[in-house]
This record gives sequence, structure tokens and C-alpha cells, in this order.
Amino acid sequence: QITLKESGPTLVKPTQTLTLTCTFSGFSLSMSGVGVGWIRQPPGKALEWLALIYWNDNKYFSPSLKSRLSITKDTSKNQVVLTMANMDPVDTATYYCAHNSVTSYYFDHWGQGTLVTVSS
Amino acid sequence: DIQMTQSPSTLSASVGDRVTITCRASQSISNWLAWYQQKPGKVPNVLIYKASTLEDGVPSRFSGSGSGTEFTLTISSLQPDDFATYYCQHYYSYPWTFGQGTKVEIK
Repeated sequence: QITLKESGPTLVKPTQTLTLTCTFSGFSLSMSGVGVGWIRQPPGKALEWLALIYWNDNKYFSPSLKSRLSITKDTSKNQVVLTMANMDPVDTATYYCAHNSVTSYYFDHWGQGTLVTVSS
Repeated sequence: DIQMTQSPSTLSASVGDRVTITCRASQSISNWLAWYQQKPGKVPNVLIYKASTLEDGVPSRFSGSGSGTEFTLTISSLQPDDFATYYCQHYYSYPWTFGQGTKVEIK
């Protein structure tokens, strides 16, 4: 059974760096073909794909946010960490992590999401 | 980037109606498309992948079709549990992108 859970601050100040952790179970990021992605959703708005990391450490980012994003994995802890620099109130959103694989590619399992508010 | 455009943005329908949502890609994505359902305050849930393959456990009233740049999600007979927002997402090349969503409301 695959599960994912996001954790991190619920409130950050403008210009600060956001660090979110996705802790998962039911799969390993050392397994060939496995990936974990991040998606966000501002209140009342659409989903936005942010970043993806694969078992082989290949990483992909949204071009509009690439300069602000970093994604890393810790296979021993079953965690993926997303950092987003220079946070702005427009970055207020629910942030989700999700599982995918190179056999399916789409996001087949999602975390519950964590709401991050950017405000001074 | 490949842009995904859904129509309509909002759809009002009654229980039992046949409902069709369209998703258009700005360039060909073959059949690398997924559809998700999201209910208010809930996590998105995949319904269909590879444009027309039903995810395990999804009711057969949901179906998907299309390839290239035009895709449709059809609900053959709308049920009370289906009132939600639906998103398409391509995974043809990076960056992946979502459509802006289609909200299915009660008429």
C-alpha cells in the first residue's frame, strides 16, 4: 500500500525559503522506474505541476519556477524534499507530493496535501 | 511548454445526464493524458490514464477518448457523487501541465 504525507511550515514570510518534506511508504526511491513529484494548488484555483525526481536522480522542474526550486531525495529515510526560495504571497497554496513511475507516468497516489500561507 | 485547455470551465448538469468535457493540447501529446477528479477539500484522484484506460476501481460510467491534441472525458450517466472538478494533465514531455479544470455543478 502506497502512502505519502507532506510536512513543513504552515506559515512563511515573504522572501523566506520554504522547505517541504514528503515522507512515503509502500515503495522505494531506489527502485528502478519510481518517481515522486510535487504539485500545488492555490485556494480556489487549478493544479500546477512543480517538480519531479526519479530513482536515478533525474530531476525536472516547471520552467517558470525552476530558478527558485530544488528537489532532493533521501532513499534511506523514504523522503523527498522540495525547497522553494524567495516566497511570495502568490505562492500561498496547498502543496501535494505524489507517486509515479516510468511504467505509468501519471500520478497514481497522492499525499493529503499541506496548506502553506505566505504572509508577513 | 505544452498548454492544456479545458472546456467548458463550468458545466451545470442533472443526475442522469451524459456529460462531456474537452481537453485540448497546444501540440500533439499522442495519448499521454490523464484525467483526475477532485472534490472540494479533497485530494485529486486519477480516473483515466493513457487517454482511455480506466484506473482500477473507477466506475465504468467514466470513459476517455482522443489522441494527438483533442481529448474528451465522458460521464455516461451523471451520479450525485460525480459533482466535482475535473482536470486533464499531459505527461508527454517535461514540463507536465494540467488543464485549468472543469467544475461540474448541479443544475
